[in-house]
Amino acid sequence: EIVLTQSPTTTAASPGEKVTITCLASSSVSNMYWYQQKSGASPKLLIYSTSSLASGVPDRFSGSGSGTSYSLTINTMEAEDAATYYCQQWSSNPITFGSGTKLEIK
Amino acid sequence: QIQLVQSGPELKKPGESVKISCKASGYTFTDYAMHWVKQVPGKGLKWMGWINTYTGKPTYADDFKGRFVFSLEASASTANLQISNLKNEDTANVFCASQGFAYWGQGTLVTVSS
Repeated sequence: EIVLTQSPTTTAASPGEKVTITCLASSSVSNMYWYQQKSGASPKLLIYSTSSLASGVPDRFSGSGSGTSYSLTINTMEAEDAATYYCQQWSSNPITFGSGTKLEIK
Repeated sequence: QIQLVQSGPELKKPGESVKISCKASGYTFTDYAMHWVKQVPGKGLKWMGWINTYTGKPTYADDFKGRFVFSLEASASTANLQISNLKNEDTANVFCASQGFAYWGQGTLVTVSS
């Protein structure tokens, strides 16, 4: 099973600040997927195939990486971005998720 | 528009069974796999497995073999998850997801308590 380790576990950012969340895989994966989950809601797909923006997602979100190291970047933090973010890999069975990064607004 | 609508919350006793449904609309049901994801309140996401909506073949993650059954009512564009011999640790929000996890149901909270 591929273990995905996210960092940081918790972070806070001021409006307008740049935020980067990292996801390290225990073995190489071909792509990474990123989800946003707000309290009481279902996860929402943000980024697919490492760097492609899902439909309707603001372009302040971006994804990058390869091999075992991937990242999600929010270029300019907005209050509505406060949520928990998860990475996910499908390259290897079973599908696994990272443990999540809680992002708060300062 | 594409929607996945799940059945309502369930309160069960240990040892009982529960069946959760996920009704899809807005697309051809048999074109995309249906995945199931567990989330213990306040914790992260855990993939339970998936069902091929064309063939009906289920695939279970290791932690979900034995008491968990994925099934279909393809004519009703509905996927089902049945959990038998419920345990306290089955208390969780369970989501269905399709089209490469682009679409998610609203979640079904299963509470197991004596």
